[in-house]
Amino acid sequence: DVKVTQSSRYLVKRTGEKVFLECVQDMDHENMFWYRQDPGLGLRLIYFSYDVKMKEKGDIPEGYSVSREKKERFSLILESASTNQTSMYLCATPGPAGGASGANVLTFGAGSRLTVL
Amino acid sequence: AQSVTQLGSHVSVSEGALVLLRCNYSSSVPPYLFWYVQYPNQGLQLLLKYTSAATLVKGINGFEAEFKKSETSFHLTKPSAHMSDAAEYFCAVSDPYGNKLVFGAGTILRVKS
Repeated sequence: DVKVTQSSRYLVKRTGEKVFLECVQDMDHENMFWYRQDPGLGLRLIYFSYDVKMKEKGDIPEGYSVSREKKERFSLILESASTNQTSMYLCATPGPAGGASGANVLTFGAGSRLTVL
Repeated sequence: AQSVTQLGSHVSVSEGALVLLRCNYSSSVPPYLFWYVQYPNQGLQLLLKYTSAATLVKGINGFEAEFKKSETSFHLTKPSAHMSDAAEYFCAVSDPYGNKLVFGAGTILRVKS
């Protein structure tokens, strides 16, 4: 099975701090995704990456950037955290039935719950 | 552009009763459709998926969903609710080239004893 590991489960940061959220997958997949989850809004795509050093904006990229220096690692960066970025952040990559089959079944990490004070 | 609408942010059923969670989608191309479940304090896991084969799709834990193109719907059902089904359920759509999933707002299912 694909394993997606998010290094921090809970974080508390102050307004203006730079925040790094790390995600590692163990299946050598090209595609990786960052979503944020908010009550009543579901999951919204922030950024995705389809290869090393390749990235594309999702639906809500403002206030975020990403880094993909190695295939297995996809980092989400909040350059200057704000209170409206308090949320649950989920990383994902296509699982065994995804990719070339077209059935894009995502495997998610456990999530990183960020609180910005 | 693709979108998903889940009707009802909260659904409450009695144990043993039918579960029906509604999902309508919008897509300009033939869609792939998914239901994911999130149990309390856990990540999301796939319940079932539709990828243009059989329109009635069976998933894990006794859930199934039917793709109805004429109604642009993909409702999730389970004949008899169990307490362990209490969770949040997300419907999602992608195109067949599938690099991005678009999720609905989620429906929280409560099961009463």
